[in-house]
Amino acid sequence: EPEVTQTPSHQVTQMGQEVILRCVPISNHLYFYWYRQILGQKVEFLVSFYNNEISEKSEIFDDQFSVERPDGSNFTLKIRSTKLEDSAMYFCASTRLQGHSPLHFGNGTRLTVT
Amino acid sequence: AQKITQTQPGMFVQEKEAVTLDCTYDTSDQSYGLFWYKQPSSGEMIFLIYQGSYDEQNATEGRYSLNFQKARKSANLVISASQLGDSAMYFCAMRTGGSGAGSYQLTFGKGTKLSVIP
Repeated sequence: EPEVTQTPSHQVTQMGQEVILRCVPISNHLYFYWYRQILGQKVEFLVSFYNNEISEKSEIFDDQFSVERPDGSNFTLKIRSTKLEDSAMYFCASTRLQGHSPLHFGNGTRLTVT
Repeated sequence: AQKITQTQPGMFVQEKEAVTLDCTYDTSDQSYGLFWYKQPSSGEMIFLIYQGSYDEQNATEGRYSLNFQKARKSANLVISASQLGDSAMYFCAMRTGGSGAGSYQLTFGKGTKLSVIP
């Protein structure tokens, strides 16, 4: 069964550094998302992406964050200058349709900012 | 504002028994969707089951069923014949629409940690 793949599975970075989290959504999916889960807390929506542009973003998704789909297969989340509070599990998700279609999540990237 | 409430931080169930995980929601939308996801200790999010607000029958997927009571705004997950591999965090989530063509936000509850006892 096709799946969403995320790399790396774990990233450690120093405060102030830039990180890029990578995702390969399921190939025939059209809608892409990033969510994050701070340890022990609930999953929070960051951003949705459709037709090569951001559709919605949460208040968490400030100017330090950006997303890109550079080559038609990869979907990336960039954090320009990481802060300690950016430490979390970041999930990429995709879906082919809206409405009743479930989001298919990747296995996540655990980001640790030191 | 949309809200999902899972009141059980942790649950225990004996292997082979059934267990119900509670979920209540709040929304002013007439059209919405409710999802359950499983998160094992390895961290991935696994889709289990979906219920649409206009679906008249409760959703079922194998050992999972969703007890949907629209008037009470509840969407409880029932796992029958629990297995040791069912030990995980379970999240209830609601689809909320936005204004954009690609908007499709899921609002998650805080989760319930299920432990299956041999």
